Amino acid sequence: KAGVTQTPRYLIKTRGQQVTLSCSPISGHRSVSWYQQTPGQGLQFLFEYFSETQRNKGNFPGRFSGRQFSNSRSEMNVSTLELGDSALYLCASSLDEGLGEQYFGPGTRLTVT
Amino acid sequence: GIQVEQSPPDLILQEGANSTLRCNFSDSVNNLQWFHQNPWGQLINLFYIPSGTKQNGRLSATTVATERYSSLYISSSQTTDSGVYFCAVVPYNQGGKLIFGQGTELSVKP
Repeated sequence: KAGVTQTPRYLIKTRGQQVTLSCSPISGHRSVSWYQQTPGQGLQFLFEYFSETQRNKGNFPGRFSGRQFSNSRSEMNVSTLELGDSALYLCASSLDEGLGEQYFGPGTRLTVT
Repeated sequence: GIQVEQSPPDLILQEGANSTLRCNFSDSVNNLQWFHQNPWGQLINLFYIPSGTKQNGRLSATTVATERYSSLYISSSQTTDSGVYFCAVVPYNQGGKLIFGQGTELSVKP
């Protein structure tokens, strides 16, 4: 069974631009969560989606948004990029909402210049 | 919110040595996982262990939920064990929101 996939793997953007990251969960997994990893703040929860609905949200500004499609694939969007948004963005999937083991994708490394 | 503390923050070992990594958390949890992050950033699942003890080869983990801690034990360490080890918990009644510790950076020397 294929693991969690994320695209693109690397991205360079300029301040003020917006970016969309994509995540495909493990087949049969219905819950998708997103995390941001930076050297200063570590790994922080962004949001969790299940059945195309946001179920949980972390402490991030409204510039960070996401959605989930009927096939459980998810996208996250960051608008008006800031230098501090440079980070590794990780997506995780699990079988059901809030239950069970979470499996992570390889991440998207975003650099904002 | 819940606090997750890992110790030690850094650890240097000679190949073949054993080590114990500790994770303390400040409130009740539904889920606890241990991960190893490889140099490319991928989080590799080691254990899903809300309670009890599990073993997988040279690695074993124990979680004592009533005492709010978990331990990861690595025996006969190898250079390939190097990297950052994370403990992450899902607080009670918070869906699938994983809260991560700051990690233990392990370096195994040949």
